[in-house]
Amino acid sequence: ETGVTQSPTHLIKTRGQQVTLRCSSQSGHNTVSWYQQALGQGPQFIFQYYREEENGRGNFPPRFSGLQFPNYSSELNVNALELDDSALYLCASSPGTAMNTEAFFGQGTRLTVV
Amino acid sequence: GQQVMQIPQYQHVQEGEDFTTYCNSSTTLSNIQWYKQRPGGHPVFLIQLVKSGEVKKQKRLTFQFGEAKKNSSLHITATQTTDVGTYFCAERVYGQNFVFGPGTRLSVLP
Repeated sequence: ETGVTQSPTHLIKTRGQQVTLRCSSQSGHNTVSWYQQALGQGPQFIFQYYREEENGRGNFPPRFSGLQFPNYSSELNVNALELDDSALYLCASSPGTAMNTEAFFGQGTRLTVV
Repeated sequence: GQQVMQIPQYQHVQEGEDFTTYCNSSTTLSNIQWYKQRPGGHPVFLIQLVKSGEVKKQKRLTFQFGEAKKNSSLHITATQTTDVGTYFCAERVYGQNFVFGPGTRLSVLP
């Protein structure tokens, strides 16, 4: 296993609600990225946090927001949930932002919006 | 924005047959990483390629990076049922994130 843990593993929410997903990064990793993976597609980058600061964002609306804490764990918050937000949300931690670092993915949180 | 394409989208093979997936980009790639995602699982890092023309092997898996650094391939020799999953290529974009291809889903029939 990668040492990256996400909670919860599954979640069902109603359209319009808000959700918070959590990620505990691997020990020693100061960089956390969040991805959305719709069924049958590759992961799509949402944003990245490095040492508690957001330092990169993909093409996602502002209702997707996040935090990184001093222990480098992270949260992904999604407001005003839409049906299309149903997906597997993956957190990946890295020991930095250098080009030669790999991403260690958590098992993901499967969010269903009804 | 950057786009990484993969072909084929799906591949069904008989156990023991070979399998190849291709990753292509219209722009020069700084690096390529390959990930495997088992059904119901999460992406797991396989390898990273950085140099033009680079070839790396992991047991039955052979990874290549094109001379022009615009394409890459993953070849599996004599597939086994444990090879089942979706194989993604991804480019690490400087200081930011990974741009993933859409993946190739491999089915292996026993």
